[in-house]
Amino acid sequence: EPEVTQTPSHQVTQMGQEVILRCVPISNHLYFYWYRQILGQKVEFLVSFYNNEISEKSEIFDDQFSVERPDGSNFTLKIRSTKLEDSAMYFCASGTGVGTDTQYFGPGTRLTVL
Amino acid sequence: QQQVKQSPQSLIVQKGGISIINCAYENTAFDYFPWYQQFPGKGPALLIAIRPDVSEKKEGRFTISFNKSAKQFSLHIMDSQPGDSATYFCAASMYRIGLIFGTGTRLQVFP
Repeated sequence: EPEVTQTPSHQVTQMGQEVILRCVPISNHLYFYWYRQILGQKVEFLVSFYNNEISEKSEIFDDQFSVERPDGSNFTLKIRSTKLEDSAMYFCASGTGVGTDTQYFGPGTRLTVL
Repeated sequence: QQQVKQSPQSLIVQKGGISIINCAYENTAFDYFPWYQQFPGKGPALLIAIRPDVSEKKEGRFTISFNKSAKQFSLHIMDSQPGDSATYFCAASMYRIGLIFGTGTRLQVFP
């Protein structure tokens, strides 16, 4: 069964450094999403992406964040200058968006900012 | 208006019992209400979902009940099993918009 994959599984970085989290969505999906989950808290929406542009973004997704689909398979989330409070699990999700809103989540990347 | 409120925060059920988790929303523009199951260290996995044009949807041991007028929906897990022990999130969204998740319910099913 096709699945969303994410790399790395765990990323440790120093405050102020840039990180890029990578995702490979399910191949025939057209809609892509990033969410984050701070330890022990709920999953929070960051951004949705369709047709090579951002469809919607939350208040969390400020100028420090950017997303890109650099080729036909990868979907990336970049955090320009990480802060301690960016430490969280980051989940990528994808969906067909055709007749259904079902989103399939990847296993996540645990980001630790020191 | 964008919040989804979920209760209880945690739930302990004996094997074979019924687990019930409740959610409430404010935004009447929401038109898709999924439930996700999450095991420790894993991403959320879709369990079952409903749209507001139906009042109930059943898939195996899992049932969503939806009350449009009260703006509430709930997940019922019949014949709960230890393998159901996980965190459950309700969510809501509008077409092609990101999911708004509830705060989660940690379910523990004891043999």
